[in-house]
Amino acid sequence: QSVLTQPPSVSGAPGQRVTISCTGSSSNIGAGYDVHWYQQLPGTAPKLLIYDNANRPSGVPDRFSGSKSGTSASLAITGLQAEDEADYYCQSYDNSLRGYVFGIGTKVTVL
Amino acid sequence: EVQLVESGGGLVKPGGSLRLSCEASGFTFTDAWFTWVRQVPGKGLEWVGRIRRNTEGGAADYAAPVKDRFTISRDDSKNALFLQMNSLKTEDTAVYYCATESWWKFHNWGQGTLVTVSS
Repeated sequence: QSVLTQPPSVSGAPGQRVTISCTGSSSNIGAGYDVHWYQQLPGTAPKLLIYDNANRPSGVPDRFSGSKSGTSASLAITGLQAEDEADYYCQSYDNSLRGYVFGIGTKVTVL
Repeated sequence: EVQLVESGGGLVKPGGSLRLSCEASGFTFTDAWFTWVRQVPGKGLEWVGRIRRNTEGGAADYAAPVKDRFTISRDDSKNALFLQMNSLKTEDTAVYYCATESWWKFHNWGQGTLVTVSS
């Protein structure tokens, strides 16, 4: 059971928009800690996709965007493409656990 | 180009020990904080622990499931990071990744090394 709650899966047709939620609590996201998102393509290591809630590292397409409000954050993918099929994880810091926490991961399927 | 290469994984019996290494290149090793993350095959990511740079004391922090069993260390002269794992349990079976850490996030990741704890 993860400290950060994500839906196990989301799906969409090519070109559509999908969103992934990440719900935390007052000891992590709600305490003001930033949320970061990672993309893990099949058989590969995770890759930083969105950092500090809404920023993209260089090379990440602007189809990916992030936001944070209260105890939750979300990742949006617009103009969904086949290459976006992957697992997506949110991550933050928890001051009660005194360590980093991840969501369970959300599998994105392109129909 | 930043590169992190883990090694040392393998099969070990419950109660045994294993030492993972992570060799780094492409950046100034002494300036970096590092973290270890593990992933049970087919499951999600779990933070294991992290180590600060030596100029900030070089202390390490650990997740509760591994505290007092795992030790993270670094050798700046060799650009290498280590994870010493003792008293291994079957639930420690996972792919172990090393990653660079700064400002509460993990920028660059290695390819991972598989640790299997089984009798």
